[in-house]
Amino acid sequence: DGGITQSPKYLFRKEGQNVTLSCEQNLNHDAMYWYRQDPGQGLRLIYYSQIVNDFQKGDIAEGYSVSREKKESFPLTVTSAQKNPTAFYLCASSRGTGIYNEQFFGPGTRLTVL
Amino acid sequence: QKEVEQNSGPLSVPEGAIASLNCTYSDRGSQSFFWYRQYSGKSPELIMSIYSNGDKEDGRFTAQLNKASQYVSLLIRDSQPSDSATYLCAVNVRWGSGGGADGLTFGKGTHLIIQP
Repeated sequence: DGGITQSPKYLFRKEGQNVTLSCEQNLNHDAMYWYRQDPGQGLRLIYYSQIVNDFQKGDIAEGYSVSREKKESFPLTVTSAQKNPTAFYLCASSRGTGIYNEQFFGPGTRLTVL
Repeated sequence: QKEVEQNSGPLSVPEGAIASLNCTYSDRGSQSFFWYRQYSGKSPELIMSIYSNGDKEDGRFTAQLNKASQYVSLLIRDSQPSDSATYLCAVNVRWGSGGGADGLTFGKGTHLIIQP
């Protein structure tokens, strides 16, 4: 059963803590993405990766970090430098990053700062 | 700044009628266009993609593209209460310079309500 999984579904962070959100896909997709969604807002790109061991900053990368050590996995760390991290975080993947790239999303992680 | 604009709604449509959702985009170089459906509290689900001018039909859904007018729309025929959701329009853009990657820019979505 192919798809994208994200964990945890809900995450609570204390001030000053780093937290890591997991994203795994078994679709054999090369490209993976992290987006953030705030209420009433569109999706904003945090980071993307076209291939293993390579990733690029998106529009709002400050306060976030990623790694891409395996094709299947693209974890996102929300650091204490991210001042307003409460949001819905969505991981996506696509076969490639060409013109016709259809992106498919995982179920998301809802992060709340206490 | 490459933008994708959608009316936020809510758009209220009676059950059984046609729902029409619209989207405009600023980048004339965009070549692929996608519609996602997002239920409240859930992640977006891809429902349609369109690459050429004209109409593309898939079941009750029809996507329409007019590149000259930089306009893409989604029609939902025989609307059902289960179609009530937020619909996101996404357009491909070129990230970075030179050999950068193609990615998607999303609109903020239109909230559709189907009234029984």
